[in-house]
Amino acid sequence: QSVVSQPPSASGTPGQRVTISCSGTRSNIGNNAVSWYHQVPRAAPKLLMYNDQKRPSGVPERFSASKSGTSASLAISGLQSEDEGDYYCAAWDDSLNGPVFGGGTKLTVL
Amino acid sequence: EVQLVESGGGLVQPGGSLRLSCVGSGFTFGRYGMNWVRQAPGKGLEWVAYIRDSGTTVYYADSVKGRFTISRNNAGNSLDLQMNSLRDEDTGVYYCARDPSGAGPDFDYWGQGTLVNVSS
Repeated sequence: QSVVSQPPSASGTPGQRVTISCSGTRSNIGNNAVSWYHQVPRAAPKLLMYNDQKRPSGVPERFSASKSGTSASLAISGLQSEDEGDYYCAAWDDSLNGPVFGGGTKLTVL
Repeated sequence: EVQLVESGGGLVQPGGSLRLSCVGSGFTFGRYGMNWVRQAPGKGLEWVAYIRDSGTTVYYADSVKGRFTISRNNAGNSLDLQMNSLRDEDTGVYYCARDPSGAGPDFDYWGQGTLVNVSS
């Protein structure tokens, strides 16, 4: 059981906007930057967002993220079939002295 | 092109040892902190260990503290994870990941992973 929680699943139709939430505590999300990762089956995770809302080069602008207090969220607009997969939020945890990942959210494009 | 390639995974009995390696190329290896992150079959991601660019600072997850040792050889562009007293729950894919900031889990490049199977 991770100290950072995410809904186990989310879904949307092509072109739709979906959001994935991430809930933590003051020792992690509340006090440190949040990153988001996307993982497709049998592949390594890929960095999607970092420093709460920054996009690495190459990540489309339809991906955005925000944070408020001890919660963060990832938004995907113009949903595409290749967006399917697992999404993980992550943040440094001051109490554990290491990064913690959320449990992951499986996104299905219907 | 940045590349990270892990090796060393395999089948090991509970209580046994295994040494994983990760070789980096396409970037100045010694300028980046490095991490090991693992993923049990069908489960989420779990951070395992971190080592600073210079190798002077290391951190471990509580679940592996005292059993695993992270180390690096910047001259050889390599990162290692020595795993002792292995348990069933250590089974999974182990990824090495580059850490550009050293201040948070913004791991920008990952290897393809190496599978560790702890089973009798």
